[in-house]
Amino acid sequence: DIQMTQSPSSLSASIGDRVTITCRASQGISSYLAWFQQKPGKAPKSLIYGASSLQSGVPSKFSGSGSGTDFTLTISSLQPEDFATYYCQQYNSYPLTFGGGTKVEIK
Amino acid sequence: QVQLQESGPGLVKPSETLSLTCIVSGGAISNYYWSWIRQPPGRGLEWIGYIYHSGTTNYNPSLESRVTISLDTSKKQFSLKLSSVTAADTAVYYCARDHYFDYWGQGALVTVSS
Repeated sequence: DIQMTQSPSSLSASIGDRVTITCRASQGISSYLAWFQQKPGKAPKSLIYGASSLQSGVPSKFSGSGSGTDFTLTISSLQPEDFATYYCQQYNSYPLTFGGGTKVEIK
Repeated sequence: QVQLQESGPGLVKPSETLSLTCIVSGGAISNYYWSWIRQPPGRGLEWIGYIYHSGTTNYNPSLESRVTISLDTSKKQFSLKLSSVTAADTAVYYCARDHYFDYWGQGALVTVSS
């Protein structure tokens, strides 16, 4: 199985901050990486696929980059609605696997 | 707009079989992969398996011996069966589309308890 490791596991940030979350794969996954946002009691919401392609309707403050084993999700200017847990997921090989999540909290 | 909706019992006894159904609306069921994913309370996400519109399946090896996913294209729905459940199978179960899960259901909490 491909292990997905996210860092940090949690972070505190202020409104307007630029936030970067890292996801590392235990082996190369090309660009077969997705990012999700999950708020408490809700289903995850797709943000990015193909490492850097924004899902329809997702604001451009979210961006993704990387290929191979190292990936990042950046939120350019954190807003109140962005406080949530973020997950990465690889779909290069089976079983499909997720990172452990990064909880973004208000400072 | 594609919508997915899970349904099924919220309580299952240990050693019995968990059964859930996901209804797809607002879009085609053909030419897509349809997955089940679960999330134990307070924990991360685990992919259970998928079914393709052709009927081809692929399961997570960690659950493969207990999982069956089936598809009814005429009803635009797919189903999950997980046998011999224990408390460790207590989770919110989600259905989702494709390999990068662009659409999700709202989730169904299933508790395993006697």
